Amino acid sequence: AQSVTQPDIHITVSEGASLELRCNYSYGATPYLFWYVQSPGQGLQLLLKYFSGDTLVQGIKGFEAEFKRSQSSFNLRKPSVHWSDAAEYFCAVGVWQNYGGSQGNLIFGKGTKLSVKP
Amino acid sequence: KAGVTQTPRYLIKTRGQQVTLSCSPISGHRSVSWYQQTPGQGLQFLFEYFSETQRNKGNFPGRFSGRQFSNSRSEMNVSTLELGDSALYLCASSPLSSGSRNEQFFGPGTRLTVL
Repeated sequence: AQSVTQPDIHITVSEGASLELRCNYSYGATPYLFWYVQSPGQGLQLLLKYFSGDTLVQGIKGFEAEFKRSQSSFNLRKPSVHWSDAAEYFCAVGVWQNYGGSQGNLIFGKGTKLSVKP
Repeated sequence: KAGVTQTPRYLIKTRGQQVTLSCSPISGHRSVSWYQQTPGQGLQFLFEYFSETQRNKGNFPGRFSGRQFSNSRSEMNVSTLELGDSALYLCASSPLSSGSRNEQFFGPGTRLTVL
């Protein structure tokens, strides 16, 4: 069965420090992978996506992620964290079924809450 | 382009009642999906609609239903509410192109509290 694991429930980093959030997936086919961010009381904002091609993908707000097929991982990184990055981050794998125009659905990890120390 | 809009943003209901939530997708997006977010279970897929037909369904009881209108707007309904239905309900819309498969844009959600 498809699944996504985010091993870290809560991470605290100092402002200006680098960040890496871990994500491991289980999916039988070539995965479509996503990172979303959610601020308190808000919906999900798409940070970046991997469909195919270059395994290092760039996203918004200075984030990047690297797809490693051999490790079934899609870790999110940022070289220098800003206080405004404090939020909850979700990794997701896209499950697609070829029928009827369905765009498939997303399976999410449990999320990693990021706190930023001044 | 306006984003996905959901109404209402907050709802309080009592057990046994029913509720209807509304979602308007991004202009031009014809696929609409619904997700439930709770602290315990996280984000779980409810169902997906395209061209007024349910195309995909998650593992939820029949009390959860939805529909889509010809203008792609969607509603979801929960009947006979239970305390465990308290959650943030998120709607997402998708553009229809193979290059953006699974790519979903989320609304702000409707916070449902069941007392």
